Amino acid sequence: ETGVTQTPRHLVMGMTNKKSLKCEQHLGHNAMYWYKQSAKKPLELMFVYNFKEQTENNSVPSRFSPECPNSSHLFLHLHTLQPEDSALYLCASSQALAGATYEQYFGPGTRLTVT
Amino acid sequence: DQQVKQNSPSLSVQEGRISILNCDYTNSMFDYFLWYKKYPAEGPTFLISISSIKDKNEDGRFTVFLNKSAKHLSLHIVPSQPGDSAVYFCAASVSGSARQLTFGSGTQLTVLP
Repeated sequence: ETGVTQTPRHLVMGMTNKKSLKCEQHLGHNAMYWYKQSAKKPLELMFVYNFKEQTENNSVPSRFSPECPNSSHLFLHLHTLQPEDSALYLCASSQALAGATYEQYFGPGTRLTVT
Repeated sequence: DQQVKQNSPSLSVQEGRISILNCDYTNSMFDYFLWYKKYPAEGPTFLISISSIKDKNEDGRFTVFLNKSAKHLSLHIVPSQPGDSAVYFCAASVSGSARQLTFGSGTQLTVLP
């Protein structure tokens, strides 16, 4: 596997279900990100992890719970979601040197539908 | 309020001609700008970037121009090819801000053969 992979690619879940999205990066990066893309809207940053530590949480509801066990893996645990949470969830990774901005590399996304 | 705006949701261009995609921003603290391309069912792919100390960066058929006084950047693709048909996102960042990228809403480019 190369680049950034995400599983599953598609997920349909009920509002009472619990599911997890998985992301893995094979680029040797130290920062990982979760984004949400709703129809006709810009990508919204949800969480940032830097060397496994969460550094940003952009006012995301607690029904979304991230986990970063190491620099290569990132999870997004989902529970009691709402239909408006249906969206494309994208994972990205980048280098993580202080004071610099590096381009982020994205996975293909998980298309989530909440019924 | 959107800090990065792409006011044209779509653009159609004839193959071989120039495509110009525009992006405006409001936050004067942004000092690094990127363009991403996205095909359906794939994640965004990094295309080209520019630092605020420059006003132009070129990579093959792709050139990004930055006008800081107007808070405007543009992506030029020349010559345009049918394979360039995709959604193009511009993004901006403040150095040292935990590497947060603020994205525009995207422009769908269609290159007609």
